[in-house]
Amino acid sequence: DAGITQSPRYKITETGRQVTLMCHQTWSHSYMFWYRQDLGHGLRLIYYSAAADITDKGEVPDGYVVSRSKTENFPLTLESATRSQTSVYFCASSEREAYNEQFFGPGTRLTVL
Amino acid sequence: GQNIDQPTEMTATEGAIVQINCTYQTSGFNGLFWYQQHAGEAPTFLSYNVLDGLEEKGRFSSFLSRSKGYSYLLLKELQMKDSASYLCAVMDSNYQLIWGAGTKLIIKP
Repeated sequence: DAGITQSPRYKITETGRQVTLMCHQTWSHSYMFWYRQDLGHGLRLIYYSAAADITDKGEVPDGYVVSRSKTENFPLTLESATRSQTSVYFCASSEREAYNEQFFGPGTRLTVL
Repeated sequence: GQNIDQPTEMTATEGAIVQINCTYQTSGFNGLFWYQQHAGEAPTFLSYNVLDGLEEKGRFSSFLSRSKGYSYLLLKELQMKDSASYLCAVMDSNYQLIWGAGTKLIIKP
């Protein structure tokens, strides 16, 4: 039972490059989320998805793009990476939107030089 | 604006009890979550409160007062493995989680 996985776990890239972070869950959860976690800040929601082909912006969506063609996958793309996007990125999923715990993937540590 | 406040860091002794406080101001309220996060790892769910009062789960308990915008996580019989960050999160009226910056708990022998 793999649960929720993310790849790559670590990534170093350069300013201006496009980067895609992958997220895959095996529970068939409807909801999926992308967060970034930076020192001194709480987790901040980038984008979320209620189902395949339904996505919506969170608190900090600028510079990011998501898609969800299949229920189990929710990739996050940085179209032109900037140094301010250096962060740890967590993908999460939950069965329902409300009153349900979110299950987190192991995270991707991204460094933009 | 929406705000979640929790202490940045706390220190406690193995075997003791510690209380981690969380105060919040959010647009609406649909429950409060506590998560544990060990260094370099993902957050994992500890508790969920939507009604006032105390919820007990083994060595961990969580309390909520909606009128005061206040919650606490109580950890009893502390063990070294409890050294971690504890994250408080409130689900707002849009069913989005608003997260505190976390409390780093250091356990000393």
